[in-house]
Amino acid sequence: EVQLLESGGGKLQPGESLRLSCAASGFTISNYAMSWVRQAPGKGLEWVSTIRRSDGATDYADSVKGRFTISRDISKNTLYLQMNSLRADDTAVYYCARDVSLDYWGQGTLVTVSS
Amino acid sequence: SYVLTQPPSVSVAPGQSARITCGGNNIGSESVHWYQQKPGQAPVLVVYDDSDRPSGIPERFSGSNSGNTATLTISRVEAGDEADYYCHVWHISSDHRVFGGGTKLTVL
Repeated sequence: EVQLLESGGGKLQPGESLRLSCAASGFTISNYAMSWVRQAPGKGLEWVSTIRRSDGATDYADSVKGRFTISRDISKNTLYLQMNSLRADDTAVYYCARDVSLDYWGQGTLVTVSS
Repeated sequence: SYVLTQPPSVSVAPGQSARITCGGNNIGSESVHWYQQKPGQAPVLVVYDDSDRPSGIPERFSGSNSGNTATLTISRVEAGDEADYYCHVWHISSDHRVFGGGTKLTVL
């Protein structure tokens, strides 16, 4: 059974850093593109970043480019999102999702950035 | 940047068909995916690659894509279909993924 479990969310102040994790089971993350998608309170879905299956190349939304870094640890079958220089508008539930079609999603982890 | 436009809301009576559109420049040349999200839950994929259904998704959910508009059609709408629906595209030319703004489906 495919499962994605995010962790690492919390409440931080502007300018601080946080690393989110997404532990995968039931499949091997290196065989799929993996993405982070976020949803601000009461708002729609926003794509954040993707790491490609084949070469591990990465793509970022303009809103997070230069501040966020996506990575994966194949030995742990885990996806990460390193978030630096956090801002109030980064407040959201962060989901990890599998494949080009985002066919499986985790339950999400809440990140709150507030002074 | 590539923009996907959805109507904010669609209302339909039980048993009728609901059509939710997703507009984008030449979206017919992209692969469109659709998600259903109920309050407090993660999104669920209901249609992928324009018109394919994941296992476990009822046949009542169907999709089409041509020209500048992709459409999610829900036939014989049930109360349990009430949710937010989002379209999504991986815009190859920009290497960016894009979501529509979402459509709230209300079952009257």
